[in-house]
Amino acid sequence: EDKVVQSPLSLVVHEGDTVTLNCSYEVTNFRSLLWYKQEKKAPTFLFMLTSSGIEKKSGRLSSILDKKELSSILNITATQTGDSAIYLCAVEARGGQGAQKLVFGQGTRLTINP
Amino acid sequence: GAGVSQSPRYKVTKRGQDVALRCDPISGHVSLYWYRQALGQGPEFLTYFNYEAQQDKSGLPNDRFSAERPEGSISTLTIQRTEQRDSAMYRCASSRWTGVNQPQHFGDGTRLSIL
Repeated sequence: EDKVVQSPLSLVVHEGDTVTLNCSYEVTNFRSLLWYKQEKKAPTFLFMLTSSGIEKKSGRLSSILDKKELSSILNITATQTGDSAIYLCAVEARGGQGAQKLVFGQGTRLTINP
Repeated sequence: GAGVSQSPRYKVTKRGQDVALRCDPISGHVSLYWYRQALGQGPEFLTYFNYEAQQDKSGLPNDRFSAERPEGSISTLTIQRTEQRDSAMYRCASSRWTGVNQPQHFGDGTRLSIL
């Protein structure tokens, strides 16, 4: 059974701290790994990772995939209160008839205190 | 449209009623996905379309759940004879196509409550 596990489930830090969120997976027919940020509404897309060892960066956020360890990390430096959200990791797996579906982890609830 | 649009935002209905949830994907997006998200959990895959063709319905929990996308654009997820366990956030996502490097973009969801 396809499975994605995120850790920690919850994290509280002070503004300015650096955080690292973890995601590990067991998925057949892996295609890519995605990170989403979910505040009150829709999950918003952050990164899609397909190749091992290549860091993707967007401002203070960065992410990297390790296909050997079947894992990924999401780093946020110089955190701000606006970074408070649930961060979802998802793995794109090939489903029936060649379809691709996302298998999500439970999410990490990140709280940044001023 | 600019983003994935879902309606209604909230739906409260009595057990045993049928409900229809609507999704309008991003204009031009070929692939459309339905997910269900329980509180405190990540979204769980239900079904998926390429154009009007339903490619994978392996995530639909039972035969009370069905989905269609007759003209390859707007999709409807229908739940018949609703039960309390159907209460959840139902999310729709779309992507340009199913090739590599095409992320799924999500709508705000429909929160369904079965009394």
